[in-house]
Amino acid sequence: DVKVTQSSRYLVKRTGEKVFLECVQDMDHENMFWYRQDPGLGLRLIYFSYDVKMKEKGDIPEGYSVSREKKERFSLILESASTNQTSMYLCASSFLGTSGSNEQFFGPGTRLTVL
Amino acid sequence: AQSVTQLDSQVPVFEEAPVELRCNYSSSVSVYLFWYVQYPNQGLQLLLKYLSGSTLVESINGFEAEFNKSQTSFHLRKPSVHISDTAEYFCAVSDPRTYKYIFGTGTRLKVLA
Repeated sequence: DVKVTQSSRYLVKRTGEKVFLECVQDMDHENMFWYRQDPGLGLRLIYFSYDVKMKEKGDIPEGYSVSREKKERFSLILESASTNQTSMYLCASSFLGTSGSNEQFFGPGTRLTVL
Repeated sequence: AQSVTQLDSQVPVFEEAPVELRCNYSSSVSVYLFWYVQYPNQGLQLLLKYLSGSTLVESINGFEAEFNKSQTSFHLRKPSVHISDTAEYFCAVSDPRTYKYIFGTGTRLKVLA
């Protein structure tokens, strides 16, 4: 089974801190994604990566950056955390694949609270 | 650009009753369609997907969804729900050209005893 793990389930940080959220997948997937999930807004894409060192902005990249130095690991960085970044963060991965089904597999999420 | 609309934010239903969770989408190109389920304090899990072929797709736990191209809908149904089906359900479309998903805002299904 595909396994996507995230470094923390719960995280509490203070305004202005630099925050790292780590995601690791064990199925050699090319694509990796970071979403944030907020009530009433569903999931919104922050960044995605389709290869090592490659990244593309999603719908809400402001205030975030990412790093993908190894295929299995995709990090989300909040350079200076703010209270409006309090949210659930979900990581996902998928094959590039020849079938084009591009099913995404999700980690359990990190609930970040910024005080 | 694609968009997904889930009109019902919450759906309460009694155990063993049928349920339908509605999903409508908009796209100028062919897309793939998905339903994901999120149980409390967990990530999302794929429930079922439509890629091509038969417009009726089924999951292993009794859910089914029907792709209706003319109505641009992909509603999720179950003839008899269980307490354990209580979760949030997300409809999503993907653009095969970009491998990106567009998610709906989710529907919270609460099954009552």
